[in-house]
Amino acid sequence: VLTQSPGTLSLSPGERATLSCRASHSVSSSYLVWYQQKPGQAPRLLIYGASSRATGIPDRFTGSGSGTDFTLTISRLEPEDFAVYYCQQYAGSPPRITFGGGTKVEIK
Amino acid sequence: QGQLVQSGAEVKKPGASVKVSCKASGYTFTSYGVSWVRQAPGQGLEWMGWISGYNGEAEYAQRLQDRVTLTTDTSTSTAYMELRSLRSDDTAVYYCARGAPSGSWRVWGQGTLVTVSS
Repeated sequence: VLTQSPGTLSLSPGERATLSCRASHSVSSSYLVWYQQKPGQAPRLLIYGASSRATGIPDRFTGSGSGTDFTLTISRLEPEDFAVYYCQQYAGSPPRITFGGGTKVEIK
Repeated sequence: QGQLVQSGAEVKKPGASVKVSCKASGYTFTSYGVSWVRQAPGQGLEWMGWISGYNGEAEYAQRLQDRVTLTTDTSTSTAYMELRSLRSDDTAVYYCARGAPSGSWRVWGQGTLVTVSS
């Protein structure tokens, strides 16, 4: 199980956002992923391998963590960053993917 | 980069089946797998399963494995998701995504709304 907190984060543009993703069991960092989703759109890959930014993702997005505790930090919120963020983990044999419940970053 | 284009919205009655297609373009279909993810209205994301574009090997989420079948047609570079015995709580947007079964999916379809209602 992946637990994301807080459920909603109310911040102003320019502020720093810190999103948490906690796993019930230790997760391989290689398989911890973050997505951004805006209303009416498919998810967008932000971070893979816990800390590697996907192609085209601005460097204000930073992923960190290991074991059971992972964090997505947005250093300075831009208007386009207000969205829902999901963490995802993979466990093999048999393969299964689990998503966290999401954190909504809304404009304060 | 590649693109995935999904079939259109569906309305089904409880107990019926639905089959959603996901047509790939701009890349070699057999070089990647396709995962399926669904999202109920106002809810989070749920992984349904993954299928290899190379050999059609599929893996399913345990809670859906009795009702879902993933297939591919390499001649048309299309992946399919069939869900049987539909219930009202299957109402969701269904997405396909390109990549490995371990996640990190960069390319997604636009989503297909499936509504289950009597």
